[in-house]
Amino acid sequence: GNSVTQMEGPVTLSEEAFLTINCTYTATGYPSLFWYVQYPGEGLQLLLKATKADDKGSNKGFEATYRKETTSFHLEKGSVQVSDSAVYFCALRRGPYGGSQGNLIFGKGTKLSVKP
Amino acid sequence: EAQVTQNPRYLITVTGKKLTVTCSQNMNHEYMSWYRQDPGLGLRQIYYSMNVEVTDKGDVPEGYKVSRKEKRNFPLILESPSPNQTSLYFCASSPLLAGGHGELFFGEGSRLTVL
Repeated sequence: GNSVTQMEGPVTLSEEAFLTINCTYTATGYPSLFWYVQYPGEGLQLLLKATKADDKGSNKGFEATYRKETTSFHLEKGSVQVSDSAVYFCALRRGPYGGSQGNLIFGKGTKLSVKP
Repeated sequence: EAQVTQNPRYLITVTGKKLTVTCSQNMNHEYMSWYRQDPGLGLRQIYYSMNVEVTDKGDVPEGYKVSRKEKRNFPLILESPSPNQTSLYFCASSPLLAGGHGELFFGEGSRLTVL
């Protein structure tokens, strides 16, 4: 079945450090891939997405590239800030729609803490 | 403003007392879904709906009911809540796009405690 595996946290970094959060997936067909972010006490927000192989999603200095050959979608940021402290979720969504194929499947989340 | 609205945001209740968590979206989305978030388990899908009067079970549907009588609303019903339903609940919606590429828009969450 479809699944998402992401690195377990928590991850603690100093401000301006480089961030990588690994995410790999298992899916048949051609899923869309997403990174969502959850700031403390808030709901989930879409951070970035990629809909086909070799696509790069980017937003707020974060990037992730859809690698079909390694079934990966690792999240990176060159210089983290304290305000990036949050829980990050990798997710996939597979179409075409029919039954449960359109549902969003999440990894378990990675908590990032950035210290000044 | 495009949004998904859940109510209540916080609720403490007792075992067996029926409750409903409402969810409404103003984006004319066909697809709606409920998730629960628990420490160490991430987000797990409870129920989803592809359109009005079309609902189906997700991964953890036991103890929950849903209905979709109108496109904008997708309430989550706990007929007889139990302590293991203490959790943070999220409603989400999206358009149905070919290929499944649509992002989900999430509500702010409803924190439920069952004593």
